Amino acid sequence: AQSVTQLDSQVPVFEEAPVELRCNYSSSVSVYLFWYVQYPNQGLQLLLKYLSGSTLVESINGFEAEFNKSQTSFHLRKPSVHISDTAEYFCAAQISGGYNKLIFGAGTRLAVHP
Amino acid sequence: GAVVSQHPSWVICKSGTSVKIECRSLDFQATTMFWYRQFPKQSLMLMATSNEGSKATYEQGVEKDKFLINHASLTLSTLTVTSAHPEDSSFYICSATLGQAGTEAFFGQGTRLTVV
Repeated sequence: AQSVTQLDSQVPVFEEAPVELRCNYSSSVSVYLFWYVQYPNQGLQLLLKYLSGSTLVESINGFEAEFNKSQTSFHLRKPSVHISDTAEYFCAAQISGGYNKLIFGAGTRLAVHP
Repeated sequence: GAVVSQHPSWVICKSGTSVKIECRSLDFQATTMFWYRQFPKQSLMLMATSNEGSKATYEQGVEKDKFLINHASLTLSTLTVTSAHPEDSSFYICSATLGQAGTEAFFGQGTRLTVV
């Protein structure tokens, strides 16, 4: 069965520090990988995605994620976080075929402190 | 990006009554919509896949008769929680896609259901 594992439920970090949110997936077939962000009292928004090609993908607000097939990982990183990055981050995998449904990880709460 | 509107954003109902939640894709046609349930501080659990004009596909463990899903048009899917009980209290979220693999899923704002 396909699954997505986010190893850290909470990540506290100081402003301007680097951060890495970890994500591993398990699947025997090709997957598409996504990171979604959920700000307080808002719906989920796409942060970035990996479909194919370059294994390093970037978002418009400074986040990046690297697809590592051998380690089945898709970790999210940012070199310098802001207070406004405080949110819940969800890693998700989409298994191609069928209805292309998303399988979500448990989420990581990123708390940026001044 | 595309907009998915979910209504109501919150609802309180008495135990034993039914509640309907609407999910609309405002500026695109969504062949497929998904319904999720999110418990506090937990991830989204996929409940069912809703396809326009056909029966919904439910995930294992989700009661079909309890959570009725209707996808009457390419822009509207509804979730009805029938005979609601306090344990049904949760955050329900819908999403819609353009259908093709690898395309972004657009999410509604969610509905907070409280059954008293």
